[in-house]
Amino acid sequence: DAGITQSPRYKITETGRQVTLMCHQTWSHSYMFWYRQDLGHGLRLIYYSAAADITDKGEVPDGYVVSRSKTENFPLTLESATRSQTSVYFCASRVPGQETQYFGPGTRLLVL
Amino acid sequence: AQRVTQPEKLLSVFKGAPVELKCNYSYSGSPELFWYVQYSRQRLQLLLRHISRESIKGFTADLNKGETSFHLKKPFAQEEDSAMYYCALSRGTGANNLFFGTGTRLTVIP
Repeated sequence: DAGITQSPRYKITETGRQVTLMCHQTWSHSYMFWYRQDLGHGLRLIYYSAAADITDKGEVPDGYVVSRSKTENFPLTLESATRSQTSVYFCASRVPGQETQYFGPGTRLLVL
Repeated sequence: AQRVTQPEKLLSVFKGAPVELKCNYSYSGSPELFWYVQYSRQRLQLLLRHISRESIKGFTADLNKGETSFHLKKPFAQEEDSAMYYCALSRGTGANNLFFGTGTRLTVIP
């Protein structure tokens, strides 16, 4: 389980501020994902990455930016946080050819 | 388009009673179906995948293509089964992401 970590685990920020959520995995999985978890919506994909320097939008990408300069890191940035971005954010990774995803512990974000 | 539906947000059963968490999907291709579980204060983790056809922690799930369902079942619920359960769909090998249902919170009453 320690193979994929997220930081911070809890974050409070204000509307309009930029905030970055970090995700780090030690397995060298090529695929990484960012989801948000909201009541009534389950988990929705924000962005994913198939490899370093390759990223693509998911279901709800607006207001988010990602980068993947190294295989092990996949930061998610809220450029100008809004209250609607208050959520629990999960990072996940997987190996190509295998559908099972491995999830991080989540980051609870509150935007005031 | 693909869609995963979990009609029950909350489900309560008594310890020792059978439990069934419903999952229906819509997808025109050949999907892979999964059940993920999130215990209190723990991360989301894989419980079952349909192609494995295995029983984990006493849970089983059968893919019914005719009814487009992938219900999760356990004959005798235990208190430690209390958790949030998510059904998820992949569009098949090589697909890039999972599509999740809205989840069902199972509470097993002692």
